[in-house]
Amino acid sequence: LAKTTQPISMDSYEGQEVNITCSHNNIATNDYITWYQQFPSQGPRFIIQGYKTKVTNEVASLFIPADRKSSTLSLPRVSLSDTAVYYCLVGDISSDKLIFGTGTRLQVFP
Amino acid sequence: EAEVAQSPRYKITEKSQAVAFWCDPISGHATLYWYRQILGQGPELLVQFQDESVVDDSQLPKDRFSAERLKGVDSTLKIQPAELGDSAMYLCASSRSIPGIVHYEQYFGPGTRLTVT
Repeated sequence: LAKTTQPISMDSYEGQEVNITCSHNNIATNDYITWYQQFPSQGPRFIIQGYKTKVTNEVASLFIPADRKSSTLSLPRVSLSDTAVYYCLVGDISSDKLIFGTGTRLQVFP
Repeated sequence: EAEVAQSPRYKITEKSQAVAFWCDPISGHATLYWYRQILGQGPELLVQFQDESVVDDSQLPKDRFSAERLKGVDSTLKIQPAELGDSAMYLCASSRSIPGIVHYEQYFGPGTRLTVT
């Protein structure tokens, strides 16, 4: 299966903006890009979903370039409670399967 | 706020035994997913249902795993016999079906942590 790759970890401080990128070269033509947040021993929690360009909701923004081979999750002004693992989720065109990214562990410091 | 329910939350079983997990999706969600998540990795899709029909079970180890959603509501995932390598978190998720969107936002349950000894 094609891999959907993310940086393994990122560190930030409270109040800063954090951008996490996901590389998905084999994304299915008609599929959306979705991002999830996961705390230890819990199921993932939906953050944001988009198809192209930019999407913004009350907690995050999602930037998707025209070729859709990557996406960037932007978290404005992170707090300690944003310390978690963040996953992107896309459909893979070659396998026609849903694939979670490798996950990015975000650590926010005071 | 409606939630996806899963039980049990934790299960310890010996290898070669049978084990079953139950999931009750959010009311009205036609799509149901079962995932397996090994510690330190992202979830891996095992099976996807649309109502009572299996949409994708290509990554379900069918020699030992089975899944059903008989009335298109709740679902059961079974492993028989369990092996040491099956130790993982088993997650259930559900979503609405939206025309034109292949995979809409999923709501996950708390998961079942399985330990096979």
